[in-house]
Amino acid sequence: AQKVTQAQTEISVVEKEDVTLDCVYETRDTTYYLFWYKQPPSGELVFLIRRNSFDEQNEISGRYSWNFQKSTSSFNFTITASQVVDSAVYFCALSGPPGNQFYFGTGTSLTVIP
Amino acid sequence: DTGVSQNPRHKITKRGQNVTFRCDPISEHNRLYWYRQTLGQGPEFLTYFQNEAQLEKSRLLSDRFSAERPKGSFSTLEIQRTEQGDSAMYLCASSPWGGREGKNIQYFGAGTRLSVL
Repeated sequence: AQKVTQAQTEISVVEKEDVTLDCVYETRDTTYYLFWYKQPPSGELVFLIRRNSFDEQNEISGRYSWNFQKSTSSFNFTITASQVVDSAVYFCALSGPPGNQFYFGTGTSLTVIP
Repeated sequence: DTGVSQNPRHKITKRGQNVTFRCDPISEHNRLYWYRQTLGQGPEFLTYFQNEAQLEKSRLLSDRFSAERPKGSFSTLEIQRTEQGDSAMYLCASSPWGGREGKNIQYFGAGTRLSVL
């Protein structure tokens, strides 16, 4: 069975603080894909990153970085020097073979306080 | 390149009425997905199409729900005899298929929020 767990329901940080959003997944597939999406109040899910199961390299994009560890089945997301515009709900998602459905976690609501 | 477009953005209906939502995917995206999202939850898969063929349906998709993608372009999701439990955000996503790049990334629309009174 495919499952994604985001244990943090809500997080509040003060602007410029760093924050890490946790994601733990379960799958029996040997090839799978992990994603992070951002959902601002407007409702549209915005794609942030995709990682496949064979690539455990961490990735940094500006203030965003992702840490993928197969040993702990985790794919955590860190925002450095948070900004008010980062306030949103963030979803971690898992899929099996390309083109299949996504399995989403329940999301983490991030509030950045100015 | 415009994104995924969904209409209407909001729909209020009375219990027992039928409703239909439309999704226009990113042009040339072969795959189109429907998800449902309730408050405080992540999106849950309903169904998806490759071109005009409906390839998979979730058990969440009761017989009151039907989806079509008649010409492999836009799609419609119809809910018959709506119930209060159908109140949710209905999200559409599309992805390219074929070729190496990006075929597993789903691009989402802003959703249609349904309220059943």
